[in-house]
Amino acid sequence: AQKVTQAQTEISVVEKEDVTLDCVYETRDTTYYLFWYKQPPSGELVFLIRRNSFDEQNEISGRYSWNFQKSTSSFNFTITASQVVDSAVYFCALFSGSARQLTFGSGTQLTVLP
Amino acid sequence: KAGVTQTPRYLIKTRGQQVTLSCSPISGHRSVSWYQQTPGQGLQFLFEYFSETQRNKGNFPGRFSGRQFSNSRSEMNVSTLELGDSALYLCASSLALTGGSYGYTFGSGTRLTVV
Repeated sequence: AQKVTQAQTEISVVEKEDVTLDCVYETRDTTYYLFWYKQPPSGELVFLIRRNSFDEQNEISGRYSWNFQKSTSSFNFTITASQVVDSAVYFCALFSGSARQLTFGSGTQLTVLP
Repeated sequence: KAGVTQTPRYLIKTRGQQVTLSCSPISGHRSVSWYQQTPGQGLQFLFEYFSETQRNKGNFPGRFSGRQFSNSRSEMNVSTLELGDSALYLCASSLALTGGSYGYTFGSGTRLTVV
């Protein structure tokens, strides 16, 4: 069975602070993919990043960075110098060949205060 | 290129009625998946269609069904609506069946309210 846990239900930060969103996953597959999506109030899930299980290289893209650690089954997401426009619900998701579907975490509501 | 288009954006239906939601994937994408999002259950997989065939199904009752047309557009139908069916229904398109390797692009969703 696949499972994704986002323990942080809500996070509130002041603009320009750094914030890290945690994601822990479970799967027995050796090949799998991890995703982060952002959901603004409009409802659409906006794709942020995809990582496969063989690529543990961490990535930085502008103010976003991701830390993938297979040893701890974690795929954390950091926003540097947060902005009010970053306020949204962030979802971590897992895709494995055995499940053949995206399994989502419960999401983290991020609020960035001006 | 155009993204994933879902229609309608909002729907209000009465208990017992049926409803049909539509999803047009990104041009060239052949896989369409449907997800239900509710405050209590979060995002849950409904089913996936590829080449007009249902390839995978989530744990939902038979009242939830779908189909895919030859142009890859997909429809989802819910019969005998219940109050608990009130949700945001999201459609995702992917280039191929193994969506994990290609990624999924989501539409803006259809917000269904059952009264």
